[in-house]
Amino acid sequence: EDQVTQSPEALRLQEGESSSLNCSYTVSGLRGLFWYRQDPGKGPEFLFTLYSAGEEKEKERLKATLTKKESFLHITAPKPEDSATYLCAPETSYDKVIFGPGTSLSVIP
Amino acid sequence: ETGVTQTPRHLVMGMTNKKSLKCEQHLGHNAMYWYKQSAKKPLELMFVYSLEERVENNSVPSRFSPECPNSSHLFLHLHTLQPEDSALYLCASSQDKWSTGELFFGEGSRLTVL
Repeated sequence: EDQVTQSPEALRLQEGESSSLNCSYTVSGLRGLFWYRQDPGKGPEFLFTLYSAGEEKEKERLKATLTKKESFLHITAPKPEDSATYLCAPETSYDKVIFGPGTSLSVIP
Repeated sequence: ETGVTQTPRHLVMGMTNKKSLKCEQHLGHNAMYWYKQSAKKPLELMFVYSLEERVENNSVPSRFSPECPNSSHLFLHLHTLQPEDSALYLCASSQDKWSTGELFFGEGSRLTVL
């Protein structure tokens, strides 16, 4: 059965305190893995696509990496505006995208 | 207007009412989606339309009825809903169905069923 988990469920960081969010998945034939950011009361916003193990993508303070079983979203020197829920979503070989439950990140000034 | 717009943003309805949610995308995309987001649960795919043809229906109860009159507009018709249907309903679009992971979402319609 296809499964996606994310940890931690919630994370509080001081401004400037770097950390990583984890996305673990068990899916049938990974075609790609996507990261989204969701602000309260809004729809998710696409961040990254990763296609193969070892691939990395960066955007400002965020860097996403992919292994065969996990993906990490590294946040370097976060700012309060980085506070949001971060969702990962692997896509299976039969074109099904499965969203994880998300990690709620709070960055305290 | 740019991106994906959804109306209404908030909706309260009784279990016997009939209402509709509307979605419009201004991105020239060919695929549109309805997702449900309930508290403490992951996003759940409800329906997928590709070039106005429904290509996926994830065992959604018949009290939810989608309609896609053209590639820019998507509706979700609601009737005789249950309180457990209260959730954020998100519309999304993508270039085509084969790029299902790179979705552009609207801001959602928050539905409360009394």
